[in-house]
Order: sequence, then C-alpha cells, then structure tokens
Amino acid sequence: QKEVEQNSGPLSVPEGAIASLNCTYSDRGSQSFFWYRQYSGKSPELIMSIYSNGDKEDGRFTAQLNKASQYVSLLIRDSQPSDSATYLCAVRVSGNTGKLIFGQGTTLQVKP
Amino acid sequence: GAVVSQHPSRVICKSGTSVKIECRSLDFQATTMFWYRQFPKKSLMLMATSNEGSKATYEQGVEKDKFLINHASLTLSTLTVTSAHPEDSSFYICSARSFGGYTFGSGTRLTVV
Repeated sequence: QKEVEQNSGPLSVPEGAIASLNCTYSDRGSQSFFWYRQYSGKSPELIMSIYSNGDKEDGRFTAQLNKASQYVSLLIRDSQPSDSATYLCAVRVSGNTGKLIFGQGTTLQVKP
Repeated sequence: GAVVSQHPSRVICKSGTSVKIECRSLDFQATTMFWYRQFPKKSLMLMATSNEGSKATYEQGVEKDKFLINHASLTLSTLTVTSAHPEDSSFYICSARSFGGYTFGSGTRLTVV
C-alpha cells in the first residue's frame, strides 16, 4: 500500500513568518510530487509540482525534494492570513496508472 | 487552462435512492479520470480510476456495485452512488490528467438523509 504521510497540525505561524510543511512517502519509484492547497469545502488547487531533487521556487513558495530520503517539503515565505488552509502533499504512484495518492494534509493557521 | 466541470455541487437525497455525479472535461480530452471521496477533516481517498471505453479500476475496499462509474466518452465520466445510505455522505471530487498535470472538479457535497 503506497502511503503519503504528513503532520496534520495545526501549524500556527505569525504573519510574515516562514511556514514549513513536510511530507514523506513510501513509494521509492515515485517521480512526481505535488503540493495542493485546500480551503474548507472547496476542491484542491495546485500550488507547485516538483520532479527533480533540490529546490523549486515560485514566488513565496519553495518546494524541496529529496528522493533518497523520500521527503518533500513546502516553504511559504512571508506568510499571510490568506494562506491559512489545509496543504495536501500528493505523490504520483510509480508505474503508468497515473494515480495520485494524497497525504492527510497539514492545517496551517497564519495569525495576524 | 484545463477545466473540469463537476455537477451537481450539492445534493441531498433520501436513503435508498441513487445519485449521479457528472465530471466533464471542457477544453481537453480526458482518457483517464479519477474519483476521490473526502470525509470532514480527512484527506482525499482515491476510490477508482475511470478509463474511457473500459471498466473502471477500483481501489481496495471500494464496492464497485455501489459506486458505479461510467466513462463513455473522452470528456465525460459519471459516478453513481447506488442505494445511498447516510454513511455515504461525503465530498466527492473528480480529477483528470491534463497537460502534464491534474485538474480537479469543484466537488460534490452529498448528504444522505
């Protein structure tokens, strides 16, 4: 059974701080990794995808991937109250099914 | 960008009835769609993979006779919850592979009373 693990939180940070979200996965053959943001009652929206080891930056967001450690993280710089949401880590299962497996999500609270 | 339209957004049905949820790719062809279920404060759980023109592949523990999936065209997949019971109340979300990524529908909140 492929698994994706996240700390459910809540993670509370003050406005303007850096929020660090972590995710581990069990499928060593996985090559594609995604971070989604989900507001209550809404569908997930893609923040970033990452496929290669190292860092990938997009605005205030940086995704980090370490395949050897089977670890992926998301950093949010200059956190804003509007960033308060649940952040879901998703991993595409190895093979050709295209299935995405999600972690349980980390709830982020950014306090003004 | 790729858009997936999901309907209805909310539905309330009586126990024992069936409910159909539609997921439609608007500007691309989706040979594969995925159906997820999400309980309150829980993550998305993959229910099944819907393949155009063939039978769906269900995840372990998902009853295929209860959750009927039809993917008759390259732009439409449907999920029918048959003989719904209150424990089937959940948020159902579809997703399609598109242009190197995944596009999600807006979700359907099903309440069975």
